[in-house]
Amino acid sequence: GQNIDQPTEMTATEGAIVQINCTYQTSGFNGLFWYQQHAGEAPTFLSYNVLDGLEEKGRFSSFLSRSKGYSYLLLKELQMKDSASYLCAASTGGGNKLTFGTGTQLKVEL
Amino acid sequence: DVKVTQSSRYLVKRTGEKVFLECVQDMDHENMFWYRQDPGLGLRLIYFSYDVKMKEKGDIPEGYSVSREKKERFSLILESASTNQTSMYLCASSFQGGNYGYTFGSGTRLTVV
Repeated sequence: GQNIDQPTEMTATEGAIVQINCTYQTSGFNGLFWYQQHAGEAPTFLSYNVLDGLEEKGRFSSFLSRSKGYSYLLLKELQMKDSASYLCAASTGGGNKLTFGTGTQLKVEL
Repeated sequence: DVKVTQSSRYLVKRTGEKVFLECVQDMDHENMFWYRQDPGLGLRLIYFSYDVKMKEKGDIPEGYSVSREKKERFSLILESASTNQTSMYLCASSFQGGNYGYTFGSGTRLTVV
């Protein structure tokens, strides 16, 4: 079966850097997505990694190691609006089917 | 502005009722998905479709069925609603292939009493 693990909660300070880790065990792995979900809202796409290495997009970066089944999302210069749930999702099979982790609730404090 | 539209934001139904949740996308996406989201369990895939009149079971299809008569519309049906189907239901769509992320609808919070 498919298994994706990420921490349940994290707390960080405004202006700081936080790293949210995700480990996965899946078959037919294509790539790894990160989504952001604010309370009461739909998830929105943040990043996608298919090759090993770091993808940078503004304040957000995402890393993938396929051999280790490991990814992380790095958020820099944290802002209060970054308080949200961050979902790790593995794409598997031929049809872009996503299996999601349970999400990491990030709280940014002053 | 491209989007996925779910017909209801909040819905309250009685046990045993037949419930229809509608989802429409305007992006010409081939793939459409229905998930439910519950605290501590994350998003779990109920059903998905890669083409018109095509459907495949996800991880938790029991108690649900789907219909896709047109490319842009994907309906989730609860044949006989039960209290354990109280949840947030999210519809999503995407292009074919493994490189494309989903676009999600805003969700339907269904309460079965």
